Amino acid sequence: DIVMTQSPDSLAVSLGERATINCKSSQSVFKSSNNKNYLTWYQQKPGQPPKLLIYWSSTRESGVPDRFSGSGSGTDFTLTISSLQAEDVAVYYCQQYYSAPPTFGQGTRVEIK
Amino acid sequence: QVQLQQSGPGLVEPSQTLSLTCAISGDSVSSNSGTWNWIRQSPSRGLEWLGRTYYRANWYNDYAVSVRSRITVNPDTSRNQFSLHLSSVSPEDTAVYYCARGVAGTAAFDIWGQGTMVTVSS
Repeated sequence: DIVMTQSPDSLAVSLGERATINCKSSQSVFKSSNNKNYLTWYQQKPGQPPKLLIYWSSTRESGVPDRFSGSGSGTDFTLTISSLQAEDVAVYYCQQYYSAPPTFGQGTRVEIK
Repeated sequence: QVQLQQSGPGLVEPSQTLSLTCAISGDSVSSNSGTWNWIRQSPSRGLEWLGRTYYRANWYNDYAVSVRSRITVNPDTSRNQFSLHLSSVSPEDTAVYYCARGVAGTAAFDIWGQGTMVTVSS
C-alpha cells in the first residue's frame, strides 16, 4: 500500500494569514498516461464527514473557495489556504488513488492562533 | 443533488456481524460512472477504506486486504442502495463508518454519508 505522510500534525495560524500543509507519498502517484496526479485533499470539521476540496492535486471541487489551492507532483504535495478564515478550522487529509487500496494521510489540524 | 443516507445499529456484540446500509438519492447504484464505497475512521487507524461495489456492464467488488476475509459489499438495485457486512467483529472494529461515492476518472470521494458510530461491545 502507498503510505501517505502529512506534516505538520497541527498548526496554528492567525486569521488572514497563510496556512500550508504538506503531504508526501511513499511512491509516485503521477500517471503519465493522462498526466494526472491521483492526489485528493479533504476538509473535516467535528461531527461531519470529510468534504472533498481538491482532486488531481490542484483542481478545486465546485463551490470550494479559491483561497484553497493544491500543488505538487509525483510524491510531494501541498495544500495552501491563502488567507485563513474562522470557518477553515478543521482537520485536513490527503488521499491517493493511484493504486488500490486508496490510502489517507494521518491528518493535519488547523487552528486559529 | 446526490445524497447518501446511512442506517444500521450503533452497537454490535463481539463475534457478530456488523451490517450497515447506504441509501442513494440523486444517482443510481447501477451508474456506469460511480463507485460505491465504505470507509471507516477511528483514532487508532485514521481513515481506512474498506471496500466498494460498482457496475460496468457487470458487478464488481474490491476489498481491503485487512478485512477481505470478513467483508461483503452488496448493491441493491431495487432499493437503490448498497450495504456493508463485516463478520466476526472485535473491539478493534469500533469506528465511525461512512459510505461514499467515488467519481470515476478522478478517483475522489465526492459525496459522503453522515457517518454511523459503531461500537463493538458486549
